[in-house]
Amino acid sequence: RKEVEQDPGPFNVPEGATVAFNCTYSNSASQSFFWYRQDCRKEPKLLMSVYSSGNEDGRFTAQLNRASQYISLLIRDSKLSDSATYLCVVNTGSGYSTLTFGKGTMLLVSP
Amino acid sequence: EPEVTQTPSHQVTQMGQEVILRCVPISNHLYFYWYRQILGQKVEFLVSFYNNEISEKSEIFDDQFSVERPDGSNFTLKIRSTKLEDSAMYFCAASSGTGLTANYGYTFGSGTRLTVV
Repeated sequence: RKEVEQDPGPFNVPEGATVAFNCTYSNSASQSFFWYRQDCRKEPKLLMSVYSSGNEDGRFTAQLNRASQYISLLIRDSKLSDSATYLCVVNTGSGYSTLTFGKGTMLLVSP
Repeated sequence: EPEVTQTPSHQVTQMGQEVILRCVPISNHLYFYWYRQILGQKVEFLVSFYNNEISEKSEIFDDQFSVERPDGSNFTLKIRSTKLEDSAMYFCAASSGTGLTANYGYTFGSGTRLTVV
């Protein structure tokens, strides 16, 4: 059973488009939620934490629905530089902050 | 500049050989981790380390793997007898909190690409 599941992608969008990423997680005891960004053959980099009330950082908006065990990321006015793989990441709450990663959804923004 | 430095960036080794991957976290981080990512696959947890001992490990982290922080700065991952399937990107990570009650993210190093031939 997949613990963190994401849209398989890739998403191909033009510059300026709005794109939404979806993620579900299976462990209801999960405590913390994140979106990471990973460029090709690079390390994951924290994009934003996801809070229960939803949070926004510039063009990025994250939402969490604990009842549905669902997380989303919305990118508005997408830029060429947003092209990357977006990783949904969940803290399993098992102790020392072990993170469980989704496989990621690749985003390709074209001119 | 990365806050977590890993060396080497790429290592090629023969099957059956021992490898040591090194990581230097920034000084105020207390919790250290190794993750790996096989090409095209998701990032997978290997082990967490706190207060000079392993706090959690995954099924992947079998007897062939070990970690230590010998001098209080370097954090190493040793693979005793490498297999072809150990070929992957190995990421060191560090955090200053456990994340259980706060939304701490990790800082990942830039990774070591291990190729076993």
